[in-house]
Amino acid sequence: AIQLTQSPSSLSASVGDRVTVTCRASQGISIALAWYQQKPGQAPKLLIYDASTLESGVPSRFSGSGSGTDFTLTISSLQPEDFATYYCQQFHGYPLTFGGGTKVVIK
Amino acid sequence: EVQLVQSGAEVKKPGESLKISCQGSGYSFTSYWIGWVRQMPGKGLEWMGIIYPSDSDSRYSPSFQGQVTISADKSISTAYLQWSSLKASDTAMYYCARYQVGAPFHYWGQGTLVTVSS
Repeated sequence: AIQLTQSPSSLSASVGDRVTVTCRASQGISIALAWYQQKPGQAPKLLIYDASTLESGVPSRFSGSGSGTDFTLTISSLQPEDFATYYCQQFHGYPLTFGGGTKVVIK
Repeated sequence: EVQLVQSGAEVKKPGESLKISCQGSGYSFTSYWIGWVRQMPGKGLEWMGIIYPSDSDSRYSPSFQGQVTISADKSISTAYLQWSSLKASDTAMYYCARYQVGAPFHYWGQGTLVTVSS
C-alpha cells in the first residue's frame, strides 16, 4: 500500500500567516493527490485534486503543488475559518490511502 | 444537486450485527462508485472500500477485508456497510463518499456515528 506522510502533524499560526503543509508518498503517484479540510463535527471537504486543481467554490488562497512523491498545500493568508485539520489522499492505486492529518490551530 | 444521505446514529452491543446506509440522489447512482471511510474518535481518515452499484463490483482495503461487507441496491440508489459481529473497536464515525476511478471524493455524506458498548 502507498503510505502518505504528512508534516507537520500540527501547527499554530496567526490570521494572515502563510501556511504550508507537506505530504510525501512512499512511491510515485504522478499527480493523483487530493487535499481535504475537515472541521470538528463535519465531513471532510475537498479543496484540491490532481495535486494543484482547485475544487469549485474553494477560495484562491488555497493552492497545491507537487508531483511524484512530494506535495504541498499552501494557504497564502490564513483566515479564521481555515483553522481545521487537513488531510492528503492518494487515488493512484488501491488501497486508496490518506495522510495522518495536519491540525492548524490558532497561535 | 448531488447528495449522499446517511442513516442515523446507532448504539449497539458487542457481538450484535449492524447495517448502515448511504442514499445517493441528484446524479446517476449506477455511474459512480461509493466509498466508505472510517474515522475513529480523535483520529484520522481510513479508506475502507468501494462498490460500483451498477454491478456490485467491490474493492476492500486489506485492513477491512473480512471485517465488513459493502453492498448496494441500485433500485433504491443506496449503498450499505455491514458488520456481522460488532466490537468495541468499531466505534467510529463512518462516511460514505462518491468516487470515480482516478478521481478524489468530491461528495461526502454527513456521516453515521456507530457506538459499540456493553
